[in-house]
Parts: sequence; structure tokens; C-alpha cells
Amino acid sequence: GENVEQHPSTLSVQEGDSAVIKCTYSDSASNYFPWYKQELGKRPQLIIDIRSNVGEKKDQRIAVTLNKTAKHFSLHITETQPEDSAVYFCADGGEGGSEKLVFGKGTKLTVNP
Amino acid sequence: KAGVTQTPRYLIKTRGQQVTLSCSPISGHRSVSWYQQTPGQGLQFLFEYFSETQRNKGNFPGRFSGRQFSNSRSEMNVSTLELGDSALYLCASSLDLWGYTFGSGTRLTVV
Repeated sequence: GENVEQHPSTLSVQEGDSAVIKCTYSDSASNYFPWYKQELGKRPQLIIDIRSNVGEKKDQRIAVTLNKTAKHFSLHITETQPEDSAVYFCADGGEGGSEKLVFGKGTKLTVNP
Repeated sequence: KAGVTQTPRYLIKTRGQQVTLSCSPISGHRSVSWYQQTPGQGLQFLFEYFSETQRNKGNFPGRFSGRQFSNSRSEMNVSTLELGDSALYLCASSLDLWGYTFGSGTRLTVV
């Protein structure tokens, strides 16, 4: 995959609300889509990923959905907490576990207490 | 187990100089990738190494190069530094290409 569009670029929510970040990709052959969280001054950390053989994956308050037909995938965070505040990056991992990740531009999420 | 270790953490260089950054992957990880992170361009792929071979390269000029040693440690080199090379350089390692763990990065400032 060579292009990933990520929206919105900034997102502000109240504590306890849900947050949704959406990404679209261009290469229909891509089948691996990770999400990374980067707190200020820290390294990106993998928080969840999805492969194209499933349409949804959940891990506690975090879920990712994938629509291969429309070539988009989304991150859903429920019951947001102030510690969820960070920049979130989606990525297209290409086919079959690629040597290369193509990242979206990032979404700065702010959770207001 | 230890994470991905990058050295140095911070570096200041002058235009025209060259720089070498180092990355030690998680033990057992044989794939090492490098990314450049800037506020304007975000995270951009530089190159990936596996068993001392470069398997993929991003759209960066030839001034950017890298290598991997037999113990999977990797280095990247930037020659003839330009102001625009100022960035956070991140190394990531993977066991099986399905999940990359990033290091804390080297913050390079070119003056």
C-alpha cells in the first residue's frame, strides 16, 4: 500500500465518551492494518491490529473494524480516559505481513476530564 | 525482555557532516526497519533489513543508507547532512512481520 488517509487530524472528547478514527487505503491487496499510539515524547506503541480475514477485533475498550470492499478501517475507543490522550497512527502493512508500514498522518486525541 | 534500543538518544550535527545511528532489536527479532518522523511528513519508511539483506527501501535519497550485522543489530548512516534531515529516527524490529516494536528513537538536529 502506498497511500493512507487518516481522519480527523485532531479529536477532542469528554472523558467517558467514545472516539472514532478512520483510515482509508489504496492497495486492495493489503491485508494487515496495525494501529499505534504515541504519547508525547515517547515511542509509537502497537495497540491493536487486524488482518483481512476478520472484520472486527476487540481488546477491552479498543476495537478495530475493517471494510475491505470500501478499503477503510477504523479505531474505536470507548469510555475514554485522560490517559488515552495521544497521537494515534493507522498503518497499511501491505500483503501478508510486509517489511514496510505506510502510515497515516496521525490523529491527536485529547480526552478532557 | 529488553525492548528495541537506539543510540544515541539525541544528536546535534552541522550541515555537511555525516551521522551514524544504531539500533539493537529485541532478542530473536531478525527484521529491522527504520522510519523518519517529522511534524510535516509524519512517519516515513526508510528501509528494512533481514538477515543482513536490505529487502525494501523507501523514497529517500542515496545519502541515507543502512546495514545489518550478523547479530541483527542495525545502523543507518546519513551523509552530507541537510537542515531538512532534522527528525526523530525510529527503529523497529519484528519477529514475523506481523507486529513491529519501535525503539524510543534518535532525535537528530542539523544546524
